[in-house]
Amino acid sequence: DAGVTQSPTHLIKTRGQQVTLRCSPISGHKSVSWYQQVLGQGPQFIFQYYEKEERGRGNFPDRFSARQFPNYSSELNVNALLLGDSALYLCASSLAVKDGNTIYFGEGSWLTVV
Amino acid sequence: DAKTTQPNSMESNEEEPVHLPCNHSTISGTDYIHWYRQLPSQGPEYVIHGLTSNVNNRMASLAIAEDRKSSTLILHRATLRDAAVYYCILRDFGGATNKLIFGTGTLLAVQP
Repeated sequence: DAGVTQSPTHLIKTRGQQVTLRCSPISGHKSVSWYQQVLGQGPQFIFQYYEKEERGRGNFPDRFSARQFPNYSSELNVNALLLGDSALYLCASSLAVKDGNTIYFGEGSWLTVV
Repeated sequence: DAKTTQPNSMESNEEEPVHLPCNHSTISGTDYIHWYRQLPSQGPEYVIHGLTSNVNNRMASLAIAEDRKSSTLILHRATLRDAAVYYCILRDFGGATNKLIFGTGTLLAVQP
């Protein structure tokens, strides 16, 4: 079975532009979360979606938004890109939200803002 | 969210056991102790988790102190493929989300 898949794997954007990152969860998983990992740090939680509803939001500005589709795939959008948005963006999926199931991560999308 | 404290880095020799410590003195009764690891250029990978009792799986063992204020991840025979950053995370199953709060983790180097 396919794991969590993310696209694109690498991209370069200019300050002020907008970016959309995509994630397909493991088949049967209804929850998708997004994390940002800046070089040298651990991943930081951005959003969690379950059944198309936002279930949690981390301490990120409103320039960051996300949504989940009926097939449980998800998109993360970042507007008005800043140099500090350069990071690895990780998508994670799990069966549900408030349970003990394992959380699975994709390999991430590397975003460079120049 | 309760915090964890881990050494920044550790070294091990191949085929020897590795004990990775984690302190979590503010752990609450509903916090599970999770370990994830992140190999270079990959997303984090689940290793093991536990609540009160010691746990074993095919990847590792988790030893939890009786007062639950510390735990140790044990890799029984380190291989070169175990070189990674290991994160000790407290996860509250009573919360509204299953978000993971990552620290900076322990960078494990394995020497041949």
